[in-house]
Amino acid sequence: QSALTQPPSASGSPGQSVTISCSGTSSDVGHSNYVSWYQQHPGKAPKLMIYEVSKRPSGVPDRFSGSKSGNTASLTVSGLQAEDEADYYCSSYADINIYVFGTGTKVTVL
Amino acid sequence: QVQLQESGPGLVKPSETLSLTCVVSGGTISGQFWSWVRQPPGKGLEWIGQIFYTGSTNCNPYLKSRVTMSVDTSKNQFSLKMTSVTAADTAVYYCVGHVSARSPLGLDPWGQGTLVTVSS
Repeated sequence: QSALTQPPSASGSPGQSVTISCSGTSSDVGHSNYVSWYQQHPGKAPKLMIYEVSKRPSGVPDRFSGSKSGNTASLTVSGLQAEDEADYYCSSYADINIYVFGTGTKVTVL
Repeated sequence: QVQLQESGPGLVKPSETLSLTCVVSGGTISGQFWSWVRQPPGKGLEWIGQIFYTGSTNCNPYLKSRVTMSVDTSKNQFSLKMTSVTAADTAVYYCVGHVSARSPLGLDPWGQGTLVTVSS
């Protein structure tokens, strides 16, 4: 099972929006709605930001939203803030009952 | 809330066995799935495998032949063993909880991670 494909980097100015794509196959992203997104600041553990494609855990700002179309999922961060600068990883539960992570995207707030 | 803490040797020699333990506090290990995820320095995340509190496991096919996971409900902890390690196994290893025991919704919470270096 290959890693899901994400753009290496994305950027935006404060207040703007940035969208990160996560491309997979019909065996993972396209197989179910079990897509999740994680935020990781340098030297810290990842933090769950979105689960089941578009649901936010308690405490995650509603500036973070997720969606999916076919074999591609997306994470949008609206109203960018300085603290949103981090690495973001998507993940999907594949049809062979394993978790697969994306390649990661570094988001820079200009 | 549930917190996870990894422990184990930070240095392992090539060809030897990596052993890590994760203690669960603030909640019970029973009734839940638990995973191990690793991250080589400067690289992305890799899911190693998961274990149910009953001991049932599921592993990344690429690592399955070298990985053993176990759970000790009496100590509220679970463990990872990885045999025949090489430099490619150098990584920060995270123990992780699951959002739901019924469906693979996502991974949360995460331990702080522990760096394991494979070197002679």
